Amino acid sequence: NAGVMQNPRHLVRRRGQEARLRCSPMKGHSHVYWYRQLPEEGLKFMVYLQKENIIDESGMPKERFSAEFPKEGPSILRIQQVVRGDSAAYFCASSPDFEYEQYFGPGTRLTVT
Amino acid sequence: AQTVTQSQPEMSVQEAETVTLSCTYDTSENNYYLFWYKQPPSRQMILVIRQEAYKQQNATENRFSVNFQKAAKSFSLKISDSQLGDTAMYFCAFMKGGTSYGKLTFGQGTILTVHP
Repeated sequence: NAGVMQNPRHLVRRRGQEARLRCSPMKGHSHVYWYRQLPEEGLKFMVYLQKENIIDESGMPKERFSAEFPKEGPSILRIQQVVRGDSAAYFCASSPDFEYEQYFGPGTRLTVT
Repeated sequence: AQTVTQSQPEMSVQEAETVTLSCTYDTSENNYYLFWYKQPPSRQMILVIRQEAYKQQNATENRFSVNFQKAAKSFSLKISDSQLGDTAMYFCAFMKGGTSYGKLTFGQGTILTVHP
């Protein structure tokens, strides 16, 4: 069973561009979480999604950030009009039904120039 | 809201020795889970050990064990027989219970260096 996949692993965007981060959960997992890790800090929760539903987006910035987890395909974290402060590592985690342990992907490191 | 505090930004230990990493948390919940994650230079998050709050027995995974003090809201990680591969950032994390799903709240992390 392949682990959680994230791509790209590294993404460079200029200020004002859009960034799209993809996460494919482990097979059979229908719960996806996104976390952000700023330099020298711990991970901060952003959003929790199930297939086609956003369950908890309490950690998402109010503007420019959105997430989806469609019925088919990977979960997408979208950042519009990126700014330098968006530079961070973005981690995705997934879990199966009835299990609280989250399995993490390798992360996407976003650099905004 | 829950908070997790790791008061040791950096720790070091000699190979084969024992080291303890501290973690305290604040919550009004009675049902919750606690975790220690390891983040090596590759940045991959690896689950080291987990503890259910309703269990009085401390969790153990090979060389890793915890000291869970529920009343004191303390959850320390002990690494025995430290190995060079244990060098990493270690994060303590909290998850509210009641359902199987929920967000993790992480501490700031402790950088552990194991010296040969």
